[in-house]
Amino acid sequence: EVQLVESGGGLVQPGGSLRLSCAASGFTFSSYWMHWVRQAPGKGLVWVSRINSDGSSTSYADSVKGRFTISRDNAKNTLYLQMNSLRAEDTAVYYCAREGYYYDSSGYYYGGYFDYWGQGTLVTVSS
Amino acid sequence: EIVMTQSPATLSVSPGERATLSCRASQSVSSNLAWYQQKPGQAPRLLIYGASTRATGIPARFSGSGSGTEFTLTISSLQSEDFAVYYCQQYNNWWTFGQGTKVEIK
Repeated sequence: EVQLVESGGGLVQPGGSLRLSCAASGFTFSSYWMHWVRQAPGKGLVWVSRINSDGSSTSYADSVKGRFTISRDNAKNTLYLQMNSLRAEDTAVYYCAREGYYYDSSGYYYGGYFDYWGQGTLVTVSS
Repeated sequence: EIVMTQSPATLSVSPGERATLSCRASQSVSSNLAWYQQKPGQAPRLLIYGASTRATGIPARFSGSGSGTEFTLTISSLQSEDFAVYYCQQYNNWWTFGQGTKVEIK
């Protein structure tokens, strides 16, 4: 059974830092791209960041670029999100998600959707 | 950035009735479109990917259609467990979500 379990959320002051973790199990973690998605209280889903399977390539939403760093440890089956210079508008539930993919009969790759999600961890930025 | 617009914002439906949710992309996303269901206090759950392929374990009453810029999620006969918020997401060019459609009991 695929499981993603986030941890590390909490209350932090503006300008502070926090590191989120996402422990993966039930699948070959090193074969999948992984993402972070956040949801502010009462709001919709917003993509935050992604990392490729070996950690050599990363991308970020403009709103967090330069402040957040995504990384992974494939030996520990764990995804991370280092969040620095936190702002009130970063307050949200942060979800890690696995990017699903498949190959069709011609061997063509299809991927990009999020097939498994963790339960989320709440980050509150407030003084 | 590709903007995803969902309509309506809220849909009031009686159990057993059909629900039709719409999602429009600001530019073509081909068939790189997914639908998710989210219940209060829970993580989103993948329903549909590739615009029309049901994810593992998703009941046949959920169906997706469309390509390019116009997409539809249909729930053929609403069950009590289907009342939730539904999000569309494009993954053709980066990843963006619609603002959600809340399906509530009429």
